[in-house]
Amino acid sequence: KQEVTQIPAALSVPEGENLVLNCSFTDSAIYNLQWFRQDPGKGLTSLLLIQSSQREQTSGRLNASLDKSSGRSTLYIAASQPGDSATYLCAVTAGGTSYGKLTFGQGTILTVHP
Amino acid sequence: DTEVTQTPKHLVMGMTNKKSLKCEQHMGHRAMYWYKQKAKKPPELMFVYSYEKLSINESVPSRFSPECPNSSLLNLHLHALQPEDSALYLCASSQDIVAEYQETQYFGPGTRLLVL
Repeated sequence: KQEVTQIPAALSVPEGENLVLNCSFTDSAIYNLQWFRQDPGKGLTSLLLIQSSQREQTSGRLNASLDKSSGRSTLYIAASQPGDSATYLCAVTAGGTSYGKLTFGQGTILTVHP
Repeated sequence: DTEVTQTPKHLVMGMTNKKSLKCEQHMGHRAMYWYKQKAKKPPELMFVYSYEKLSINESVPSRFSPECPNSSLLNLHLHALQPEDSALYLCASSQDIVAEYQETQYFGPGTRLLVL
């Protein structure tokens, strides 16, 4: 059974700092890995999707890497801003399934203070 | 348009009530999903529809009844719910459900449900 773990559970940083969120998964047979952002009481917004054949994806100040063989992904946020405060969720699409079931980590709650 | 809309935003119901949650997307996606999310927990998959047919039911109690009237709409009918069913219910859609080719899932804002 695929398990996804995110570290740290919570992170508080001053504005302007660069930061790294970590995600690990137990079964390396995945099709892709996604990072989502969720604001309190809201839906999820997809930030980056990395296919299993890729090593990284970039969007603006965000960079996500994937090391499938070791079961790890990192989300790097450059020059953090208060507007980045949210919960960040990592999710993998497991291989060997006929449908794209997402398995989520528990999330990292990020607070960026001015 | 990459938007998934959900109505209502908030819903309070008693344990004997019948209510429905609605979800709509106009991206031409053929896969639609219902998730349940409890506070401070990640979303849990409930149902998957592919080409308007129920493909996956993740052992959800029968008091939750999904319906897909057409390719753009997804409903979740609620009946005889329990207080522990109170949660944020999220709808999502994607191009297809074939895992190998799956693009990202687009999520709606959710319906906050409180069962008294």
